[in-house]
Amino acid sequence: DAGITQSPRHKVTETGTPVTLRCHQTENHRYMYWYRQDPGHGLRLIHYSYGVKDTDKGEVSDGYSVSRSKTEDFLLTLESATSSQTSVYFCAISLFMKGQEYEQYFGPGTRLTVT
Amino acid sequence: GDSVTQMEGPVTLSEEAFLTINCTYTATGYPSLFWYVQYPGEGLQLLLKATKADDKGSNKGFEATYRKETTSFHLEKGSVQVSDSAVYFCALNAGGTSYGKLTFGQGTILTVHP
Repeated sequence: DAGITQSPRHKVTETGTPVTLRCHQTENHRYMYWYRQDPGHGLRLIHYSYGVKDTDKGEVSDGYSVSRSKTEDFLLTLESATSSQTSVYFCAISLFMKGQEYEQYFGPGTRLTVT
Repeated sequence: GDSVTQMEGPVTLSEEAFLTINCTYTATGYPSLFWYVQYPGEGLQLLLKATKADDKGSNKGFEATYRKETTSFHLEKGSVQVSDSAVYFCALNAGGTSYGKLTFGQGTILTVHP
């Protein structure tokens, strides 16, 4: 258990409203990630962070922004939600292992529905 | 860029049948390879991994061998159980300065009947 929680776990919102999802970790991991999961696409990286205030875009970043003002929290914001952003969102952290590889561990997910 | 391709599903098997889920990848350099499993309503769990050519990852009766010559990392289990019903994802990390990012395949749904 990598101590990752996500909130809220479920949310229904209307098109055009702003939405913020929170990922919280308790073990001071440096690297954090936001993915979305959609049928037929697996998981796709939205944004990632390699330290406090250090973030970068993933492959599907349009319409999303992130912030990391402290190590334990990584926030994902949909500035103006659209129906195409209906998805399940997963947060993850990476551990750097002795074999020089990374292992990622995932939170429980947030199911977001935009009506 | 990097990519992962998994066999199309869903896969339906009877209990105690042999399982193979194919995974091939495209990557520069020497990626690390992973299989993750997602049970209904849950997040992804790391199932096994391999970090270099010819490595075999294994866990809970599942195995996968890193084949650089065929750029493959197929998942196998000799005798599946109903409790193995889940979605399985193949993934790679390109290493180097990739900040641990993973590239995932599209996932394969496995259903095992009694």
